[in-house]
Amino acid sequence: GAVVSQHPSWVICKSGTSVKIECRSLDFQATTMFWYRQFPKQSLMLMATSNEGSKATYEQGVEKDKFLINHASLTLSTLTVTSAHPEDSSFYICSASPDIEQFFGPGTRLTVL
Amino acid sequence: GESVGLHLPTLSVQEGDNSIINCAYSNSASDYFIWYKQESGKGPQFIIDIRSNMDKRQGQRVTVLLNKTVKHLSLQIAATQPGDSAVYFCAEAHNMLTFGGGTRLMVKP
Repeated sequence: GAVVSQHPSWVICKSGTSVKIECRSLDFQATTMFWYRQFPKQSLMLMATSNEGSKATYEQGVEKDKFLINHASLTLSTLTVTSAHPEDSSFYICSASPDIEQFFGPGTRLTVL
Repeated sequence: GESVGLHLPTLSVQEGDNSIINCAYSNSASDYFIWYKQESGKGPQFIIDIRSNMDKRQGQRVTVLLNKTVKHLSLQIAATQPGDSAVYFCAEAHNMLTFGGGTRLMVKP
């Protein structure tokens, strides 16, 4: 149980493209979903917290217009990187939480050329 | 927290030896702690957790120790195997989950 999926697992795009990443909790309902970014050999950096049906709460320094988060249902959250640039290349990981524990997705590697 | 611009510390152990990975946490109000394992290119995997009303919890080959006095958490891996090679993160939770910087464990055959 407690499986979280992400799609796509890897995306390569040209600079200026908008990329949508989906995060799904497959066998439980997640009241809260989190989006993280991870650079090589570094820890996870929380980008935003989203609760179903309400606006996401972004961490300081994260541009909400750049990283659009939609948490439309208790099993799905999406992160859209708008007009992606090479500096947005990173590993994006979501997690879903039914209570306090977080279950992580496998991550999405974004490469912007 | 975040270790921007820093490389992860590395622990190198011989296969079959025991590993001890340490973590200092910051919030004395944190009441729930988790250890995660992250292999290259994958998302973090839950290993073991402990609540603040305990000081030790054992799993299969892993033990977590909690010292609230000095705000210290450790993960002990018995008989370390090559498959244990990964980055290990601790996380503390009060109202939200906050991650430590991570330690890279390398197992030498």
